[in-house]
Amino acid sequence: GQSLEQPSEVTAVEGAIVQINCTYQTSGFYGLSWYQQHDGGAPTFLSYNALDGLEETGRFSSFLSRSDSYGYLLLQELQMKDSASYFCAVLRDDKIIFGKGTRLHILP
Amino acid sequence: DGGITQSPKYLFRKEGQNVTLSCEQNLNHDAMYWYRQDPGQGLRLIYYSQIVNDFQKGDIAEGYSVSREKKESFPLTVTSAQKNPTAFYLCASSFGTGRGNTEAFFGQGTRLTVV
Repeated sequence: GQSLEQPSEVTAVEGAIVQINCTYQTSGFYGLSWYQQHDGGAPTFLSYNALDGLEETGRFSSFLSRSDSYGYLLLQELQMKDSASYFCAVLRDDKIIFGKGTRLHILP
Repeated sequence: DGGITQSPKYLFRKEGQNVTLSCEQNLNHDAMYWYRQDPGQGLRLIYYSQIVNDFQKGDIAEGYSVSREKKESFPLTVTSAQKNPTAFYLCASSFGTGRGNTEAFFGQGTRLTVV
């Protein structure tokens, strides 16, 4: 069954901040990754959290709480080019498993 | 430049035909993966390989086959047994899950259409 849960869609306003949540159920957990995919394109790696806490990379930050089996991706100062799908991913039994993705809509 | 290359970008297949999708990487990655993506959907794992001459079925392997004769290459064959093959196929590679890091690099994908 599906071991990663994330909202199917999120809408935010240009210039604002948005948080995309991901909960997971998996044994042998190593860490949580995030990917961005624009329409018709390939997913690109954004971040990886192996330990609890916040990792910041420019306008994007990612958070992990292993005790809660929960993480999120935080996008600040939203730009229209951030309109895309965002996937969380985990390692399970030597496989990289992806969530179903969150479609981010940005309003001008 | 290092990267992962999929070909062709678009592929049309008649019903009942087998087709092979190419995936080549020069990143010296041990692990390679094939995913299928349907419109508005996530990535579903078809097959994966952690080392040369070894591969495992993913969640939706029926109707597909792979080989891993070289570290750099992981071709996917969509057979006539696959009932609904029209989809976007993505190949990825990584340093291997032994390091715990799930940073994968993706090819640009092959869009397969059955006509």
